[in-house]
Amino acid sequence: EDKVVQSPLSLVVHEGDTVTLNCSYEVTNFRSLLWYKQEKKAPTFLFMLTSSGIEKKSGRLSSILDKKELFSILNITATQTGDSAVYLCAASFQGAQKLVFGQGTRLTINP
Amino acid sequence: NAGVTQTPKFQVLKTGQSMTLQCAQDMNHNSMYWYRQDPGMGLRLIYYSASEGTTDKGEVPNGYNVSRLNKREFSLRLESAAPSQTSVYFCASRTIVNEQFFGPGTRLTVL
Repeated sequence: EDKVVQSPLSLVVHEGDTVTLNCSYEVTNFRSLLWYKQEKKAPTFLFMLTSSGIEKKSGRLSSILDKKELFSILNITATQTGDSAVYLCAASFQGAQKLVFGQGTRLTINP
Repeated sequence: NAGVTQTPKFQVLKTGQSMTLQCAQDMNHNSMYWYRQDPGMGLRLIYYSASEGTTDKGEVPNGYNVSRLNKREFSLRLESAAPSQTSVYFCASRTIVNEQFFGPGTRLTVL
């Protein structure tokens, strides 16, 4: 059974801290790993990672994939209260149209 | 571009009632998806449609039916609603590089 597991499930930090969110996967015919941010409504796309070891960056957010150890991390530096959200990762498949999502990590940034 | 739109935003049903959730996208995407999101469970795929005229089951299809009416529209029907179907439902469409765009969601309560 294809599985995506995120940790921690919940994280509370102070503004300015750096956080690392984890996503591990066990899927057949893996193609890519996607990260989404979900505030109050629909998830919004952050990153898609297909190759190992290549960091993707967007401002204070960065992510990297390790296809040998089957995991990805999402780093957020100098966190702000606006980073408070649920962060979802999902695995996509070669030759198939679907995504399998993890449970999400609820990140709370306190001022 | 409106992106992905869903109606209704909220719905309360009694057990045994039926309803259809509507979804439309204006991005000319071939693939469309229906997910449900329950607390602590991330997003689970109900059904998807890789192209107009085709539909496939996801992880949790029982109790649901779908119709891909045309390239733009993908509806989800609950024939006889049950309390276990209380959830937030998201529709999504997918680009050719597998990035999914989500609608705003429908919050459904079944009493």
